[in-house]
Amino acid sequence: EAQVTQNPRYLITVTGKKLTVTCSQNMNHEYMSWYRQDPGLGLRQIYYSMNVEVTDKGDVPEGYKVSRKEKRNFPLILESPSPNQTSLYFCASSFREGAYEQYFGPGTRLTVT
Amino acid sequence: AQSVTQLGSHVSVSEGALVLLRCNYSSSVPPYLFWYVQYPNQGLQLLLKYTTGATLVKGINGFEAEFKKSETSFHLTKPSAHMSDAAEYFCAVGYRGSARQLTFGSGTQLTVLP
Repeated sequence: EAQVTQNPRYLITVTGKKLTVTCSQNMNHEYMSWYRQDPGLGLRQIYYSMNVEVTDKGDVPEGYKVSRKEKRNFPLILESPSPNQTSLYFCASSFREGAYEQYFGPGTRLTVT
Repeated sequence: AQSVTQLGSHVSVSEGALVLLRCNYSSSVPPYLFWYVQYPNQGLQLLLKYTTGATLVKGINGFEAEFKKSETSFHLTKPSAHMSDAAEYFCAVGYRGSARQLTFGSGTQLTVLP
């Protein structure tokens, strides 16, 4: 089954404790992206990757890191999480860049206390 | 730069009534337009998209949208609401060759009343 998977689905952590949210897709998509969803703000792009070893900042990259060492994986790293990073995070992938249909993962709800 | 405005963060309709969710966009180049739906505790799922060609686009679950360039709009409609349509709906804009892909609106929560 074609899908985007994220882990964990729920995470509660404390300020400053490094964490990684994994994202994997099995569709051989070139393009992957991370969004955060906050009430009233819709989805805002954090980082995106056009292919292996090619990443770039989205609209709200501060406090986040990403890497793309393999085509299928695109982890999101919070090296020192803060309470304002409490949010719902989505990973998405598409065949390639250029407004093709994006496939979304189920989301990761992160709470930073 | 591109942007999306969804009018009405919450819309309520009765079961069987017309659903109309509004979306206006701003784009300096011909846009690609999308509607996504998000059911509770799930990721986003594509409802329909407009890229080129016919301006009336039909999607899944009986939804359709019409691209109106003169009004810079892409409103989502469904003739008869069903209880299962209750969800959050997002309009998004992009364009061919955009490395940044999509810009999303803030979403409209649709409630369907029995």
